[in-house]
Amino acid sequence: QVQLQESGPGLVKPSDTLSLTCTVSGGSVSSGSYYWSWIRQPPGKGLEWIGYIYYSGSTNYNPSLMSRVTISVDTSKNQFSLKLSSVTAADTAVYYCARVPRGVYFDYWGQGTLVTVSS
Amino acid sequence: EIVLTQSPGTLSLSPGERVTLSCRASQSVSSSYLAWYQQKPGQAPRLLIYGASSRATGIPDRFSGSGSGTDFTLTISRLEPEDFAVYYCQQYGSSPPLTFGGGTKVEIK
Repeated sequence: QVQLQESGPGLVKPSDTLSLTCTVSGGSVSSGSYYWSWIRQPPGKGLEWIGYIYYSGSTNYNPSLMSRVTISVDTSKNQFSLKLSSVTAADTAVYYCARVPRGVYFDYWGQGTLVTVSS
Repeated sequence: EIVLTQSPGTLSLSPGERVTLSCRASQSVSSSYLAWYQQKPGQAPRLLIYGASSRATGIPDRFSGSGSGTDFTLTISRLEPEDFAVYYCQQYGSSPPLTFGGGTKVEIK
């Protein structure tokens, strides 16, 4: 059974960089069948796709966040990570990591982690 | 960008009822690239349907998906107490490649 677990600070100051890591167990980020993605959900609102990465390092980002987002993968640790720069209160959300078969849909999700942007 | 519009925003229903949720796309979506998720409070979304009509592993057969082009439907044949949740559709397509609908909340009447 594939499991994903997000980790990182729950509080980030405005204008700082949000950094999260997703650790994958029961599966490998090096599998060629899957992309690995970040999605976020502001409190009480809907889901927003942030971006995804392939094990080779190839990435695709939501154009609305592209200028501030970096997703990377560490195959040796079976992890992938998210960095979102210049955060504001609008970036306060639950951040989820997920597995994406063929880059098409999300079949396994982490439990999510709430990141609050506040001074 | 393909925009997914879900309707209605909220449905108030009783256990045992049949429910049909709508997801309409602003442009045609390949049936292979339409998925549905269920989200309960405090939990991550759970994949229900992919490829418009294929049930994900472990999903009860009371859940079914259908549709093509710009109109897709998720049907729950008989609502169980655990089915009261928010449901999202999601498509894979052009930039951005992955987008979600705004969700439909199914609440207890």
